[in-house]
Amino acid sequence: DADVTQTPRNRITKTGKRIMLECSQTKGHDRMYWYRQDPGLGLRLIYYSFDVKDINKGEISDGYSVSRQAQAKFSLSLESAIPNQTALYFCATSVGTGRVETQYFGPGTRLLVL
Amino acid sequence: EDQVTQSPEALRLQEGESSSLNCSYTVSGLRGLFWYRQDPGKGPEFLFTLYSAGEEKEKERLKATLTKKESFLHITAPKPEDSATYLCAVGGGSQGNLIFGKGTKLSVKP
Repeated sequence: DADVTQTPRNRITKTGKRIMLECSQTKGHDRMYWYRQDPGLGLRLIYYSFDVKDINKGEISDGYSVSRQAQAKFSLSLESAIPNQTALYFCATSVGTGRVETQYFGPGTRLLVL
Repeated sequence: EDQVTQSPEALRLQEGESSSLNCSYTVSGLRGLFWYRQDPGKGPEFLFTLYSAGEEKEKERLKATLTKKESFLHITAPKPEDSATYLCAVGGGSQGNLIFGKGTKLSVKP
């Protein structure tokens, strides 16, 4: 079984709809992250969480919200989806130490907003 | 401003033709440099972490090196299965979050 899983893997939705992307991990890592990837722009950080009670905005948080339900679960919500949010979304995890540790990525969710 | 630049954007090689990918960075206090491989439609797959200038890591046909300004990913005698996009990221900023480059798309023809 994969260490980092994301659901759904593909999603088509309409402008204005609320949508939630879910991430679960079995790696036992404290830190979790949400990124989006767009052609030509690379990976950009949306939100990150160092533990259940610690959630922080990343580079591009506008239009998104997150929830850390447990150490192993981190969800990303689009309250009112817009076409500009069409992208590939990745969840990642890392251990929490005093230095920057390797992040391990999930398989991604491909989101299309019509 | 922290920045990561990868070159070239795309690289086409013949099978067995060795080459190098470059990752240059500007960051206030490097806290790790990371290489990933990404296949189309999939999540980035971790390859190497380098923390200090002069450090080198190897895995099969890949070797990563690090200086104070850049990192190289050397590919020796590549095979078609090495075709992928290679991403470089640096740890920086107050929280040490990863800053990614845009990647180098490698194609290896048989």
